[in-house]
Amino acid sequence: GIQVEQSPPDLILQEGANSTLRCNFSDSVNNLQWFHQNPWGQLINLFYIPSGTKQNGRLSATTVATERYSLLYISSSQTTDSGVYFCAVEPWDDYKLSFGAGTTVTVRA
Amino acid sequence: NAGVTQTPKFRILKIGQSMTLQCAQDMNHNYMYWYRQDPGMGLKLIYYSVGAGITDKGEVPNGYNVSRSTTEDFPLRLELAAPSQTSVYFCASSPGGQETQYFGPGTRLLVL
Repeated sequence: GIQVEQSPPDLILQEGANSTLRCNFSDSVNNLQWFHQNPWGQLINLFYIPSGTKQNGRLSATTVATERYSLLYISSSQTTDSGVYFCAVEPWDDYKLSFGAGTTVTVRA
Repeated sequence: NAGVTQTPKFRILKIGQSMTLQCAQDMNHNYMYWYRQDPGMGLKLIYYSVGAGITDKGEVPNGYNVSRSTTEDFPLRLELAAPSQTSVYFCASSPGGQETQYFGPGTRLLVL
């Protein structure tokens, strides 16, 4: 199956800092999503972004499908940004979403 | 819309017991999914369904069964609970294949 690698595994930020999370995947995909899992365990959709760039407030994401990676940018981080960020991908010929292991982000006040 | 709902929120089972995790969605989505998340890990797909009456195995289906008699409901059945099934279970739905998936709040299961 498709392999999904996320980096870094852990990230500690001071409030107000910017950061970039990376997701590499091993094959062509037709679906790529970024999720935020908050400290209470809820999974929140951030972006559906199989290619291109999208922005939502302080968050933005870019997927370069031809080079098989996606980046999630967090600007002016806040303590509420803490949690685990997951990248998940779905290949062209399947309906199965494969998740990376996640990046744990801790934002300190 | 309530979105995707799951019951119960938390359950403790003894080894060998059976239970059904309930999942319902009110968005008229055709596709539904069950995932498990072990501590410190990403989610793994257990089963999925592309419509009422149609189900298929995911990455880790052993020890589980599903049914899809209606568009709204997608229950997950554990027949003989084992400690290895201790996990958090998430249900999700999407309008179609390869579209945004929306997740329920999860069910935390502990098998002792």
